[in-house]
Amino acid sequence: EVQLVESGGVVVQPGGSLRLSCAASGFTFDDYAMHWVRQAPGKGLEWVSLISWDGGRTYCADSVKGRFTISRDNSKNSLFLQMNSLRAEDTALYYCVKAHGGTRGMDYWGQGTLVTVSS
Amino acid sequence: QSVLTQPPSVSAAPGQKVTISCSGSSSNIGNNYVSWYQQLPGTAPKLLIYDNNRRPSGIPDRFSGSKSGTSATLGITGLQTGDEADYYCGTWDSSLSAVVFGGGTKLTVL
Repeated sequence: EVQLVESGGVVVQPGGSLRLSCAASGFTFDDYAMHWVRQAPGKGLEWVSLISWDGGRTYCADSVKGRFTISRDNSKNSLFLQMNSLRAEDTALYYCVKAHGGTRGMDYWGQGTLVTVSS
Repeated sequence: QSVLTQPPSVSAAPGQKVTISCSGSSSNIGNNYVSWYQQLPGTAPKLLIYDNNRRPSGIPDRFSGSKSGTSATLGITGLQTGDEADYYCGTWDSSLSAVVFGGGTKLTVL
């Protein structure tokens, strides 16, 4: 059974930093690209970032470019999101998501970890 | 403002059919695969359709997807009250080098 378990979400002040983690199990982690997708309270889905199976290629939404960095550790079946210079508008539930065929879909989602940026 | 355009809401009676549209451009829907997601209240999204019209195992054939040009459509037949949810379309945008989602459509089964 595929499981994606996010952690690291907390309340942080504007301008602060945070690192989210995602522990993956139930599939061959280093065979698949991975995404982070977020959802602000009461809002729709917003894609954040994508990393290839080997970490060699990464992509980010313009809204987080230069502030967020996606990475992975295939030896530990783990995905990360380093978030710097946090803003109030980054407040959201952050989902770790397994890619289906690269950019062809997202077939498994974690339950999310909540990041709140507030003073 | 989302790159992909969906109607904010649709509604239909139990047992009926509903379609949800998703409009984009040549840089996204026109040249890339479309996927659809269902988000039941208080839960994480679930993949319903990938590669424009393929269903993952376990998704009933009441759900279907299609694509024509720069638009895609999700169809749901035999509506059930349990289908009440938010539905999102998504695809890759080759110009942005980014995944883009529609704004979501809230389905109400009256």
